[in-house]
Amino acid sequence: GESVGLHLPTLSVQEGDNSIINCAYSNSASDYFIWYKQESGKGPQFIIDIRSNMDKRQGQRVTVLLNKTVKHLSLQIAATQPGDSAVYFCAESGNQFYFGTGTSLTVIP
Amino acid sequence: GAGVSQSPRYKVAKRGQDVALRCDPISGHVSLFWYQQALGQGPEFLTYFQNEAQLDKSGLPSDRFFAERPEGSVSTLKIQRTQQEDSAVYLCASSPQGLGYNEQFFGPGTRLTVL
Repeated sequence: GESVGLHLPTLSVQEGDNSIINCAYSNSASDYFIWYKQESGKGPQFIIDIRSNMDKRQGQRVTVLLNKTVKHLSLQIAATQPGDSAVYFCAESGNQFYFGTGTSLTVIP
Repeated sequence: GAGVSQSPRYKVAKRGQDVALRCDPISGHVSLFWYQQALGQGPEFLTYFQNEAQLDKSGLPSDRFFAERPEGSVSTLKIQRTQQEDSAVYLCASSPQGLGYNEQFFGPGTRLTVL
């Protein structure tokens, strides 16, 4: 099967700092990528997406970067807040939808 | 408006029992997905419906798992003769259109514990 993996399983940042969460994917045919946030006891919540014909997309306090050459995706969160503490998953979509293992982000007040 | 809802939220079953998990997608959404999420892992794809048609069931781990969406709205995931390894959170998601550049909206999940 395809694999979508994350480089770091946990990340701790100080409140107000920027966070960067990385993700590697293996299916070069995937053409759509999504970042999800999952809080304890809840389903994944959409954060931001990007199509393969783009290399950067910005939302409110979040930016996703896509490097197709090395099959790498990153999520940048600006001015991280305690409410950003959660597990973050990248997911890729081709013929199916694959999620990575997840990175647990902890924001230290 | 209402999001995706799932019931029950928690289910405890004895090994060998059959269980049925329900998903109510967002009204009008064409696509419906089921995922299995083990503790500390990302969701794993199980099956996908476009309206009432089950277009992909390649992720179902065994023939004990069965999903249906007979009228193209509510879906049920049934697990027969449950085993301990079936313990997980089962997530349902819906999307307004088919596979492609579409966000999936997730329900809260059903946590299944098989004793």
